[in-house]
Amino acid sequence: GIQVEQSPPDLILQEGANSTLRCNFSDSVNNLQWFHQNPWGQLINLFYIPSGTKQNGRLSATTVATERYSLLYISSSQTTDSGVYFCAVEGFGNEKLTFGTGTRLTIIP
Amino acid sequence: KAGVTQTPRYLIKTRGQQVTLSCSPISGHRSVSWYQQTPGQGLQFLFEYFSETQRNKGNFPGRFSGRQFSNSRSEMNVSTLELGDSALYLCASSLGTTGELFFGEGSRLTVL
Repeated sequence: GIQVEQSPPDLILQEGANSTLRCNFSDSVNNLQWFHQNPWGQLINLFYIPSGTKQNGRLSATTVATERYSLLYISSSQTTDSGVYFCAVEGFGNEKLTFGTGTRLTIIP
Repeated sequence: KAGVTQTPRYLIKTRGQQVTLSCSPISGHRSVSWYQQTPGQGLQFLFEYFSETQRNKGNFPGRFSGRQFSNSRSEMNVSTLELGDSALYLCASSLGTTGELFFGEGSRLTVL
């Protein structure tokens, strides 16, 4: 099955800083999503982005499907951005959604 | 529009018991999938249902089972619980067999 690697595993930043989270995947995908897991465990949808670029407020994401990676950008970080960010991908042909191991982001006031 | 609803949110069981978790998808969504999250193994796929049929199954023992009803609601069952089954169980729904997934708040199971 598809392998998904996220980097960095941990990231500690001051409030107001910008960050870039990376997701590499090993095969072609027809689904790629970014999630933020809140302190209660729920996975909150950030982007559905199998290819291209999207923006939502301070967050944006880019997926370069031909090079098999996706980037999540967070600008002007706030303490509420803290948590674990997951990338998940689904390959072609009845494959399940496979999650990366996540990036734990900590924003310090 | 209501999101994905999972019940119960928290439960405590003892080894050897069995447990049933419920998931109500977003209205109109026909696909439901289940995931297990543990600190050691991360998020792992359990199974996926579409129109009452299991489409895909992860690498879990037969003690883990599920089903989907005609109204798209789904249940998963774990029999003969083991300590290692303690986890957050997450349900997700989508319109079809591919596309954007939306997750519920999860059911946190503790096995003593």
